[in-house]
Amino acid sequence: SQKIEQNSEALNIQEGKTATLTCNYTNYSPAYLQWYRQDPGRGPVFLLLIRENEKEKRKERLKVTFDTTLKQSLFHITASQPADSATYLCAKRTYKYIFGTGTRLKVLA
Amino acid sequence: NAGVMQNPRHLVRRRGQEARLRCSPVKGHSHVYWYRQLPEEGLKFMVYLQKENIIDESGMPKERFSAEFPKEGPSILRIQQVVRGDSAAYFCASSPQGGQGANEQFFGPGTRLTVL
Repeated sequence: SQKIEQNSEALNIQEGKTATLTCNYTNYSPAYLQWYRQDPGRGPVFLLLIRENEKEKRKERLKVTFDTTLKQSLFHITASQPADSATYLCAKRTYKYIFGTGTRLKVLA
Repeated sequence: NAGVMQNPRHLVRRRGQEARLRCSPVKGHSHVYWYRQLPEEGLKFMVYLQKENIIDESGMPKERFSAEFPKEGPSILRIQQVVRGDSAAYFCASSPQGGQGANEQFFGPGTRLTVL
């Protein structure tokens, strides 16, 4: 079965540093991957989408990469801020959406 | 411009009662998805509906759970004879297109169901 795997351990980093989150998938590469942010008690919010033919995608301080050889996507937040603290979810779509368990990021002031 | 609306936001039921969760998608979106989330866990797909049709219900338990998305009105996720294990946050999401299109999903705030 298709799976999305994210590091379930929380990631703590110092303000101003770059946070890097990992998303690994099994089986065949999806046409694209999506990244969402979820704050406690709220629904996920879409951040970025990257297609399999795109190596890298940027949006402000966010950068996503997609490596079909490694079956992996990396999500970077540069110049991180305490307000970036949240859980970040990776998702792929085949016919339905399959989400990873998410990685909780905490940016320390 | 309203996003996805879910109600109620919090629902408390006793074992054996029925729970009805409502979802109004973004205006113009005809594809609705329901997910369940337990604390410290990811989103688990339950069902994918298009207006008046269930497209994929592979993530939904075959007993006690049902979903609909009528031509008029919100999508409803119905849980009959609730048990404590049904306690979770239930999220609804909508998208403008279905299939394998590169569409983001717009999520609602969720309904937190507590079964006593």
